[in-house]
Amino acid sequence: SSELTQDPAVSVALGQTVRITCQGDSLRSYYASWYQQKPGQAPVLVIYGKNNRPSGIPDRFSGSSSGNTASLTITGAQAEDEADYYCNSRDSSGNHLLFGGGTKLTVL
Amino acid sequence: QITLKESGPTLVKPTQTLTLTCTFSGFSLSTSGVGVGWIRQPPGKALEWLALIYWNDDKRYSPSLKSRLTITKDTSKNQVVLTMTNMDPVDTATYYCAHVLYSSRSTYFDYWGQGTLVTVSS
Repeated sequence: SSELTQDPAVSVALGQTVRITCQGDSLRSYYASWYQQKPGQAPVLVIYGKNNRPSGIPDRFSGSSSGNTASLTITGAQAEDEADYYCNSRDSSGNHLLFGGGTKLTVL
Repeated sequence: QITLKESGPTLVKPTQTLTLTCTFSGFSLSTSGVGVGWIRQPPGKALEWLALIYWNDDKRYSPSLKSRLTITKDTSKNQVVLTMTNMDPVDTATYYCAHVLYSSRSTYFDYWGQGTLVTVSS
Protein backbone atom coordinates (compact mmCIF):
# COMPACT_ATOMS: atom_id res chain seq x y z
CA SER A 1 0.00 0.00 0.00
CA SER A 2 1.11 3.59 -0.47
CA GLU A 3 0.67 4.92 3.00
CA LEU A 4 2.35 5.20 6.38
CA THR A 5 0.22 4.57 9.46
CA GLN A 6 0.82 6.10 12.89
CA ASP A 7 -1.14 5.98 16.12
CA PRO A 8 -2.90 9.34 16.53
CA ALA A 9 -1.89 9.85 20.15
CA VAL A 10 0.52 8.43 22.69
CA SER A 11 1.27 9.47 26.25
CA VAL A 12 4.27 8.90 28.51
CA ALA A 13 5.12 9.73 32.09
CA LEU A 14 7.93 12.19 32.59
CA GLY A 15 11.27 10.40 32.53
CA GLN A 16 9.87 7.17 31.09
CA THR A 17 10.47 5.58 27.70
CA VAL A 18 8.04 5.83 24.82
CA ARG A 19 7.98 4.23 21.38
CA ILE A 20 6.16 5.82 18.46
CA THR A 21 5.58 3.54 15.50
CA CYS A 22 5.05 3.93 11.77
CA GLN A 23 3.79 1.08 9.59
CA GLY A 24 3.94 0.74 5.84
CA ASP A 25 4.95 -1.74 3.17
CA SER A 26 7.60 0.61 1.80
CA LEU A 27 9.45 0.45 5.11
CA ARG A 28 10.66 -3.01 4.17
CA SER A 29 12.80 -1.33 1.49
CA TYR A 30 13.39 2.24 2.64
CA TYR A 31 14.35 3.95 5.87
CA ALA A 32 11.95 6.22 7.67
CA SER A 33 12.85 9.67 8.86
CA TRP A 34 11.19 11.28 11.86
CA TYR A 35 10.17 14.88 12.50
CA GLN A 36 9.13 16.71 15.64
CA GLN A 37 6.69 19.57 15.29
CA LYS A 38 5.65 21.90 18.08
CA PRO A 39 2.64 24.24 17.77
CA GLY A 40 3.22 27.10 15.38
CA GLN A 41 6.65 25.85 14.34
CA ALA A 42 8.13 24.13 11.31
CA PRO A 43 8.98 20.43 11.64
CA VAL A 44 12.44 19.49 12.85
CA LEU A 45 14.28 16.36 11.71
CA VAL A 46 15.13 14.15 14.69
CA ILE A 47 16.07 10.79 13.12
CA TYR A 48 17.13 9.79 9.61
CA GLY A 49 18.62 6.75 7.91
CA LYS A 50 19.23 3.59 9.88
CA ASN A 51 19.45 5.46 13.20
CA ASN A 52 21.12 8.85 12.80
CA ARG A 53 20.54 12.03 14.74
CA PRO A 54 21.21 15.48 13.30
CA SER A 55 23.49 17.72 15.24
CA GLY A 56 21.73 19.18 18.26
CA ILE A 57 19.19 16.39 18.71
CA PRO A 58 19.51 14.80 22.17
CA ASP A 59 20.68 11.21 22.33
CA ARG A 60 17.47 10.18 24.10
CA PHE A 61 15.98 10.03 20.56
CA SER A 62 16.69 6.84 18.62
CA GLY A 63 15.28 5.00 15.64
CA SER A 64 14.86 1.37 14.66
CA SER A 65 13.09 -0.71 12.08
CA SER A 66 11.76 -4.25 11.76
CA GLY A 67 9.82 -5.58 8.80
CA ASN A 68 7.19 -3.05 7.82
CA THR A 69 7.46 -1.03 11.03
CA ALA A 70 9.76 1.84 11.91
CA SER A 71 9.96 3.12 15.46
CA LEU A 72 11.06 6.30 17.17
CA THR A 73 12.03 5.76 20.79
CA ILE A 74 12.46 8.50 23.36
CA THR A 75 14.34 7.19 26.38
CA GLY A 76 13.65 9.37 29.41
CA ALA A 77 11.01 11.65 27.92
CA GLN A 78 11.19 15.30 28.91
CA ALA A 79 8.45 17.89 29.08
CA GLU A 80 9.91 19.62 26.03
CA ASP A 81 9.41 16.45 23.99
CA GLU A 82 5.65 17.00 23.98
CA ALA A 83 4.90 17.56 20.30
CA ASP A 84 3.53 15.99 17.13
CA TYR A 85 5.80 13.41 15.51
CA TYR A 86 5.67 12.48 11.84
CA CYS A 87 7.36 9.67 9.97
CA ASN A 88 8.33 10.03 6.32
CA SER A 89 9.67 7.65 3.71
CA ARG A 90 9.42 6.76 0.07
CA ASP A 91 6.49 4.82 -1.26
CA SER A 92 6.86 1.25 -2.47
CA SER A 93 7.76 2.37 -5.99
CA GLY A 94 10.58 4.47 -4.57
CA ASN A 95 9.51 7.37 -6.74
CA HIS A 96 7.36 9.38 -4.35
CA LEU A 97 7.38 10.41 -0.73
CA LEU A 98 4.88 9.80 2.04
CA PHE A 99 4.19 11.22 5.46
CA GLY A 100 2.44 9.38 8.22
CA GLY A 101 -0.65 10.92 9.77
CA GLY A 102 1.30 12.04 12.82
CA THR A 103 1.34 11.05 16.50
CA LYS A 104 0.57 13.56 19.23
CA LEU A 105 2.86 12.84 22.17
CA THR A 106 1.74 13.95 25.61
CA VAL A 107 4.24 13.94 28.47
CA LEU A 108 2.39 13.49 31.75
CA GLN B 1 24.44 27.42 7.34
CA ILE B 2 21.47 26.28 5.30
CA THR B 3 18.38 28.47 5.25
CA LEU B 4 15.22 28.41 3.15
CA LYS B 5 12.38 30.89 2.94
CA GLU B 6 9.04 30.62 1.21
CA SER B 7 7.39 33.59 -0.48
CA GLY B 8 4.18 34.13 -2.37
CA PRO B 9 0.61 35.33 -1.95
CA THR B 10 -1.15 34.85 1.35
CA LEU B 11 -4.59 34.91 -0.27
CA VAL B 12 -5.72 33.41 -3.57
CA LYS B 13 -9.17 33.06 -5.07
CA PRO B 14 -10.69 29.72 -6.05
CA THR B 15 -9.65 28.54 -9.54
CA GLN B 16 -6.56 30.78 -9.50
CA THR B 17 -3.00 29.50 -9.86
CA LEU B 18 -0.70 29.67 -6.84
CA THR B 19 2.98 30.42 -7.39
CA LEU B 20 5.34 29.95 -4.47
CA THR B 21 9.05 30.65 -4.45
CA CYS B 22 11.61 29.02 -2.17
CA THR B 23 14.78 31.08 -1.86
CA PHE B 24 17.64 29.26 -0.23
CA SER B 25 21.23 29.73 0.85
CA GLY B 26 24.04 27.62 2.23
CA PHE B 27 23.92 24.89 -0.41
CA SER B 28 23.93 24.38 -4.17
CA LEU B 29 21.19 22.61 -6.04
CA SER B 30 23.88 21.38 -8.40
CA THR B 31 25.37 19.11 -5.76
CA SER B 32 24.76 15.40 -6.23
CA GLY B 33 22.24 13.98 -3.78
CA VAL B 34 20.61 17.31 -2.99
CA GLY B 35 17.07 18.42 -3.68
CA VAL B 36 14.36 20.81 -2.59
CA GLY B 37 10.89 19.66 -1.70
CA TRP B 38 7.53 21.22 -0.95
CA ILE B 39 5.26 20.06 1.84
CA ARG B 40 1.98 21.51 3.03
CA GLN B 41 -0.07 21.32 6.20
CA PRO B 42 -3.74 22.34 6.41
CA PRO B 43 -4.64 23.94 9.75
CA GLY B 44 -4.76 21.28 12.45
CA LYS B 45 -3.93 18.49 10.02
CA ALA B 46 -0.98 16.34 9.00
CA LEU B 47 1.95 17.08 6.73
CA GLU B 48 1.48 16.25 3.06
CA TRP B 49 4.33 15.94 0.56
CA LEU B 50 3.69 17.79 -2.70
CA ALA B 51 6.74 17.81 -4.97
CA LEU B 52 10.49 17.45 -5.13
CA ILE B 53 13.23 18.51 -7.53
CA TYR B 54 16.67 16.97 -7.46
CA TRP B 55 20.11 18.28 -8.38
CA ASN B 56 19.88 16.53 -11.77
CA ASP B 57 16.49 18.19 -12.53
CA ASP B 58 14.62 14.97 -11.84
CA LYS B 59 11.15 16.00 -10.66
CA ARG B 60 8.70 14.03 -8.52
CA TYR B 61 5.09 14.86 -7.73
CA SER B 62 2.47 13.59 -5.34
CA PRO B 63 0.35 11.23 -7.46
CA SER B 64 -2.87 12.75 -6.12
CA LEU B 65 -1.86 16.30 -7.13
CA LYS B 66 0.40 15.64 -10.10
CA SER B 67 -1.94 17.17 -12.67
CA ARG B 68 -1.97 20.49 -10.82
CA LEU B 69 1.68 20.88 -9.82
CA THR B 70 4.81 22.10 -11.55
CA ILE B 71 8.20 22.45 -9.87
CA THR B 72 11.19 24.20 -11.40
CA LYS B 73 14.59 25.38 -10.23
CA ASP B 74 16.84 28.31 -11.02
CA THR B 75 20.24 27.24 -9.77
CA SER B 76 21.84 30.61 -10.48
CA LYS B 77 19.27 32.40 -8.32
CA ASN B 78 19.13 29.70 -5.63
CA GLN B 79 15.40 29.42 -6.07
CA VAL B 80 12.79 26.70 -6.53
CA VAL B 81 9.31 27.59 -7.74
CA LEU B 82 6.14 25.58 -7.22
CA THR B 83 2.96 26.32 -9.12
CA MET B 84 -0.40 24.79 -8.25
CA THR B 85 -3.31 25.35 -10.58
CA ASN B 86 -7.04 25.48 -9.94
CA MET B 87 -6.82 26.37 -6.26
CA ASP B 88 -9.69 25.38 -3.99
CA PRO B 89 -10.52 26.26 -0.36
CA VAL B 90 -9.34 22.77 0.66
CA ASP B 91 -5.85 23.83 -0.47
CA THR B 92 -5.72 26.33 2.40
CA ALA B 93 -2.57 25.36 4.27
CA THR B 94 0.88 26.33 5.44
CA TYR B 95 3.29 25.56 2.62
CA TYR B 96 6.87 24.63 3.49
CA CYS B 97 9.94 24.16 1.37
CA ALA B 98 12.78 22.01 2.65
CA HIS B 99 16.30 20.89 1.78
CA VAL B 100 16.38 17.25 0.75
CA LEU B 101 19.11 14.65 0.95
CA TYR B 102 18.83 11.55 -1.23
CA SER B 103 20.50 8.18 -0.92
CA SER B 104 19.68 4.73 -2.19
CA ARG B 105 17.47 3.86 0.77
CA SER B 106 16.50 7.21 2.18
CA THR B 107 15.14 10.61 1.22
CA TYR B 108 14.67 13.09 4.01
CA PHE B 109 14.16 16.76 4.76
CA ASP B 110 16.92 18.08 7.02
CA TYR B 111 16.29 21.82 6.85
CA TRP B 112 12.91 23.50 6.60
CA GLY B 113 11.71 26.98 5.84
CA GLN B 114 9.43 28.78 8.28
CA GLY B 115 6.40 28.11 6.09
CA THR B 116 3.88 30.44 4.52
CA LEU B 117 0.14 30.32 5.14
CA VAL B 118 -1.91 30.40 1.96
CA THR B 119 -5.64 30.95 2.28
CA VAL B 120 -7.97 30.15 -0.60
CA SER B 121 -11.13 32.22 -0.45
CA SER B 122 -13.26 34.38 -2.67
